[in-house]
Amino acid sequence: GDSVTQMEGPVTLSEEAFLTINCTYTATGYPSLFWYVQYPGEGLQLLLKATKADDKGSNKGFEATYRKETTSFHLEKGSVQVSDSAVYFCALSKYGNKLVFGAGTILRVKS
Amino acid sequence: EAGVAQSPRYKIIEKRQSVAFWCNPISGHATLYWYQQILGQGPKLLIQFQNNGVVDDSQLPKDRFSAERLKGVDSTLKIQPAKLEDSAVYLCASSGLAGVSYEQYFGPGTRLTVT
Repeated sequence: GDSVTQMEGPVTLSEEAFLTINCTYTATGYPSLFWYVQYPGEGLQLLLKATKADDKGSNKGFEATYRKETTSFHLEKGSVQVSDSAVYFCALSKYGNKLVFGAGTILRVKS
Repeated sequence: EAGVAQSPRYKIIEKRQSVAFWCNPISGHATLYWYQQILGQGPKLLIQFQNNGVVDDSQLPKDRFSAERLKGVDSTLKIQPAKLEDSAVYLCASSGLAGVSYEQYFGPGTRLTVT
């Protein structure tokens, strides 16, 4: 079945460091890809998405590019802030149906 | 616009007891999802409704879990009897018609502890 694999955490960075969280997927057909974020004590929020190959999703300084040739959707940010500390989930969906999530990556940013 | 509402936010029960969770989706959203998130894992779909019909319940443990969506709006998820491994956060999400809108909006979740 379809699956998502993302890098294990926790990832600990200093403020203003560059962030990469790796995500790869296995799926038949043409999934849409997503990054969701869960801040401490809050619910899941959509961070960004891409619906077809070579699309770039971006939001709040975060970016991810849908790479069909490497089945990847890595999350990047040029300069992280303490407020970015959260759990990040990579996910896929086909035809607007269920989201299939990775295990999540904890990000801790130190000041 | 009001978000997805869930209640209760927390619940502690003993094994073999029953429990029910309630979800009110965003107004006008036809598709409703229940996910189970075990600590340290990503959410996993339990059941998906489109209006009041079931689209996918392949991962729902039907011997103990049940869900309904009367009138295509609110939904209730029930566990009876509960087991220790049911301890998790139960998330409700909603979206527009599948194939039209891909974004799912999540509620705050219900944290269940089974002792």
